[in-house]
Amino acid sequence: EPEVTQTPSHQVTQMGQEVILRCVPISNHLYFYWYRQILGQKVEFLVSFYNNEISEKSEIFDDQFSVERPDGSNFTLKIRSTKLEDSAMYFCASSVLSRAETQYFGPGTRLLVL
Amino acid sequence: DQQVKQNSPSLSVQEGRISILNCDYTNSMFDYFLWYKKYPAEGPTFLISISSIKDKNEDGRFTVFLNKSAKHLSLHIVPSQPGDSAVYFCAASARSGGYQKVTFGTGTKLQVIP
Repeated sequence: EPEVTQTPSHQVTQMGQEVILRCVPISNHLYFYWYRQILGQKVEFLVSFYNNEISEKSEIFDDQFSVERPDGSNFTLKIRSTKLEDSAMYFCASSVLSRAETQYFGPGTRLLVL
Repeated sequence: DQQVKQNSPSLSVQEGRISILNCDYTNSMFDYFLWYKKYPAEGPTFLISISSIKDKNEDGRFTVFLNKSAKHLSLHIVPSQPGDSAVYFCAASARSGGYQKVTFGTGTKLQVIP
């Protein structure tokens, strides 16, 4: 069964450093998303991406965040200058349609900012 | 903004009995409701959904009920099995510019005791 993969599974970084989280969506999917879950809290939508551009972003997704689909297979989330409060599990998802129930989630990258 | 609320952080049920997970929402614009299941170290997996025009949807052992007037939905699992032990997220979506943005609740950890 096709699956969304994410690398790395864990990332530890110093505050102020840049991090890039990588995702490989399912190959025929057209819509891509990033979510995050701070420990003990709900899963929060960050951004959706379709046709090589951001289609929607939440208030969390400020200028420190950016997304890119550099090569037609990878989908990346970059945090330019990490803050302590960026520590969370980051989930990538992809879907073939824009419908919510068609989203497949990756296993997540746990980011710890020290 | 707690638009989707799961007031029970955890639930324990005996194997074979019914598990009932509850969820409340506040946003009347939500037109689709979903339940996701999440195992440790994995991303959320779509389980079952219901459109706002329906009041019940059934899929095998899983049934979701929607009470729009009360802004309440519930997930019933009958009979519960030990493999159902996971965190269950209630989620809701509203179409926004052609894309269904998903808003998650905080999750309920279900433990099914053999």
